[in-house]
Amino acid sequence: ETGVTQTPRHLVMGMTNKKSLKCEQHLGHNAMYWYKQSAKKPLELMFVYSLEERVENNSVPSRFSPECPNSSHLFLHLHTLQPEDSALYLCASSQAWPVTGTQYFGPGTRLLVL
Amino acid sequence: DAKTTQPNSMESNEEEPVHLPCNHSTISGTDYIHWYRQLPSQGPEYVIHGLTSNVNNRMASLAIAEDRKSSTLILHRATLRDAAVYYCILRDVVSPIDMRFGAGTRLTVKP
Repeated sequence: ETGVTQTPRHLVMGMTNKKSLKCEQHLGHNAMYWYKQSAKKPLELMFVYSLEERVENNSVPSRFSPECPNSSHLFLHLHTLQPEDSALYLCASSQAWPVTGTQYFGPGTRLLVL
Repeated sequence: DAKTTQPNSMESNEEEPVHLPCNHSTISGTDYIHWYRQLPSQGPEYVIHGLTSNVNNRMASLAIAEDRKSSTLILHRATLRDAAVYYCILRDVVSPIDMRFGAGTRLTVKP
């Protein structure tokens, strides 16, 4: 399997549930990203892991918790989400250097919070 | 923060060139200009990027104004498969988290 894969592709959860999104890259990259794409809004960068160091966007609520156990895997743990968190969550990867290197995106997980 | 502005939508006929504009009047000296596109039901994919000089690759060309306050993505011969949302993005070489997406231009290609 090649490229960036994400599971699940679709997820419906209640506000009290805890779930996790998974991303895996097979490109030998050492930087991984989580993005949020809401309807009619630009893509928002949520988190970056580069060379196993997390660079955090401080505007992301604490109900989103990323985890990067190694350079190939990235998780986004979700708990007590709100309906406005319903969106497409995209994972991407790249080489850490140069920082302007190409990012490769997965197909996304479409999340619906009821 | 530097921002980009793009037209909401554009139309093109198949086999004709398409020029997609992007304004970034507050661009800084360390900002690279990237273009990505997002086909329906897919994640974005890289198209091209540049700093000051015009760039060409197999997918497109990027024309950057001399003052760098605007740029144009050029698709030389649009195909139906080029129908997508095209994003003009400023990427600061100093700060990897500083990704600033525009609202994107939805390109429709008519046969």
